[in-house]
Amino acid sequence: DTAVSQTPKYLVTQMGNDKSIKCEQNLGHDTMYWYKQDSKKFLKIMFSYNNKELIINETVPNRFSPKSPDKAHLNLHINSLELGDSAVYFCASGRVPGGELFFGEGSRLTVL
Amino acid sequence: QKEVEQDPGPLSVPEGAIVSLNCTYSNSAFQYFMWYRQYSRKGPELLMYTYSSGNKEDGRFTAQVDKSSKYISLFIRDSQPSDSATYLCAMKEYNNDMRFGAGTRLTVKP
Repeated sequence: DTAVSQTPKYLVTQMGNDKSIKCEQNLGHDTMYWYKQDSKKFLKIMFSYNNKELIINETVPNRFSPKSPDKAHLNLHINSLELGDSAVYFCASGRVPGGELFFGEGSRLTVL
Repeated sequence: QKEVEQDPGPLSVPEGAIVSLNCTYSNSAFQYFMWYRQYSRKGPELLMYTYSSGNKEDGRFTAQVDKSSKYISLFIRDSQPSDSATYLCAMKEYNNDMRFGAGTRLTVKP
């Protein structure tokens, strides 16, 4: 019944590893997002994906690559993890232009 | 200057107090203004939504938008311990991505 679900909820891994986070929404929205929330709770957009068009935030390192197999899914793959990648990653979906965002519960990534 | 400025707090008030949370912004093209509430270890959830200037009331919550001053507020009346959370202001232009404030951490003490 969950609107936006993401897995895993917790991820602890070593520097240099590659990991993926999956996201699925059952709201029928056209747009999905990945946000990064740092330890100070600041939410920063990483990617938005609208009807097969990916909009990349230029400040995101190219080690981060989103993949959308269909409208209901947007996964995030991270290569060569670094300590600074430790954060909570939120998936969200919504309707443009002014609609609210629905967030998943977050995936807490810790890089050791 | 950040696009959206919000005092991160923390803010601690006694139960029953009126809480005032604020954000300022620099982008005059913002048209949609929102407040999200985020409980610990959960995702943000929409609390209030306002289009353009004006006031909106929903139960104990009132959202105000003053576009001329580029200033938005959220008031919580008769605050309850269950209101303890981080409150994030958010705003967006038409057909553009949402921008969030840093979030204000609120604790309401019984």
